[in-house]
Amino acid sequence: AQTVTQSQPEMSVQEAETVTLSCTYDTSESDYYLFWYKQPPSRQMILVIRQEAYKQQNATENRFSVNFQKAAKSFSLKISDSQLGDAAMYFCAYDMRFGAGTRLTVKP
Amino acid sequence: DSGVTQTPKHLITATGQRVTLRCSPRSGDLSVYWYQQSLDQGLQFLIQYYNGEERAKGNILERFSAQQFPDLHSELNLSSLELGDSALYFCASSVGGQSYTFGSGTRLTVV
Repeated sequence: AQTVTQSQPEMSVQEAETVTLSCTYDTSESDYYLFWYKQPPSRQMILVIRQEAYKQQNATENRFSVNFQKAAKSFSLKISDSQLGDAAMYFCAYDMRFGAGTRLTVKP
Repeated sequence: DSGVTQTPKHLITATGQRVTLRCSPRSGDLSVYWYQQSLDQGLQFLIQYYNGEERAKGNILERFSAQQFPDLHSELNLSSLELGDSALYFCASSVGGQSYTFGSGTRLTVV
C-alpha cells in the first residue's frame, strides 16, 4: 500500500524566516502527482502547491516551493518569508493518501 | 467557494443512529473521495468513486457505505453510530487525480 510519511509532528519558525517541512512517500509508479495542503484553524483544506513527477523542475507558488527528489521519494515544502497567516497544519499527499501532518507555528 | 458542496455542515445524533452525508462534486469532476478526520488527526481515506463506480477503498468500516449517483453526487451512509465516529468528514473531487478540491466538511457529533 502506498504510504506518505511526515516525520515532523510540529515545527516552529520566526516570522519572516524560512522553514522546510519534510515528506517521503512510497510508490512504484513513474508518473504521478504530489501535493501539499494547508489546513488552518477553520479546518478548510487548501491546496498550497502541486508537483508533477515527470517534471524535473521544482514547483513554486509565490513564497512556497518544493524540493522534489524523485529517486529518494522525497517531497519537502519550503516556506520563505513566513507570515503569521502561514500557521496551520500542513499535509503532504500522494494518490489520495495523506501524511499525518505537520503543525506549523509562526512566532512574531 | 471551492465548488464542492457538502451538506449538512453540522450534524448531532445519538449512538446507534444512522446518518447520510451528501457531497456534490465540482462541475466536470468525475471522481469523489471521502475522508474522515478525527480531532487533531490526519485525514483517513475512506473510499473513492469514479463516474458511479467504486474505484478504491481505504479504512472504511463495514458500518459505513457510500455510493455515487448518475448526476455524480455522492452520499456517505454511517450506521450504528458510536461515539468514536465523531469527526469531520470531508468530500473531495478531482479530474484524473491531478488535484483534489475539498468541500468544507460535515462535522458529525455522536452523543
